[in-house]
Amino acid sequence: DMKVTQMPRYLIKRMGENVLLECGQDMSHETMYWYRQDPGLGLQLIYISYDVDSNSEGDIPKGYRVSRKKREHFSLILDSAKTNQTSVYFCASSPLQGNNQAPLFGEGTRLSVL
Amino acid sequence: QQQVRQSPQSLTVWEGETTILNCSYEDSTFDYFPWYRQFPGKSPALLIAISLVSNKKEDGRFTIFFNKREKKLSLHITDSQPGDSATYFCAASSNSGTYQRFGTGTKLQVVP
Repeated sequence: DMKVTQMPRYLIKRMGENVLLECGQDMSHETMYWYRQDPGLGLQLIYISYDVDSNSEGDIPKGYRVSRKKREHFSLILDSAKTNQTSVYFCASSPLQGNNQAPLFGEGTRLSVL
Repeated sequence: QQQVRQSPQSLTVWEGETTILNCSYEDSTFDYFPWYRQFPGKSPALLIAISLVSNKKEDGRFTIFFNKREKKLSLHITDSQPGDSATYFCAASSNSGTYQRFGTGTKLQVVP
């Protein structure tokens, strides 16, 4: 069953706390993504990963870092979270970047930083 | 700099009408253009996509028209239904590896 799974689905953190968002996929897709979605801004790419330990910054990487130690798992880390990082975060995956395959999205993590 | 632009921001149509959503882009290397639909509280899901080799792509009530010279696309939804009420995103990427850029979306409401 082709699926991208995100954990947790909802998270409330205080400013300054560390945040770990996890994403898994069962399709052996090489490429994985982290997006954030804010009202009126659409989906903004934070990081893209082309495979294990092959990560690149997207359009808004500041304040975030990622980890990909296994092909099926991609984590987003916020060190010392800020209130402006309150958002909905989507993980997505697709076969090899460059093959024009539309990413498949997870259900999202709604993060509130107080 | 918004590389993919969508208009209008929001749109209300009557049930049965044809909805037209617009998208334009700037980067000449873009060659693949998926449209996503997102219902409230859900994740974006691929609806229909077109590549540079085509001028038109049809899937049921959904049709993409592509004007390559002007770098413009439009998504037409015929016989619009209340269940089509959602936000629609246009995206663009290139086979050379440019990752997908999304537009800011059009929120569609179809009124019975």
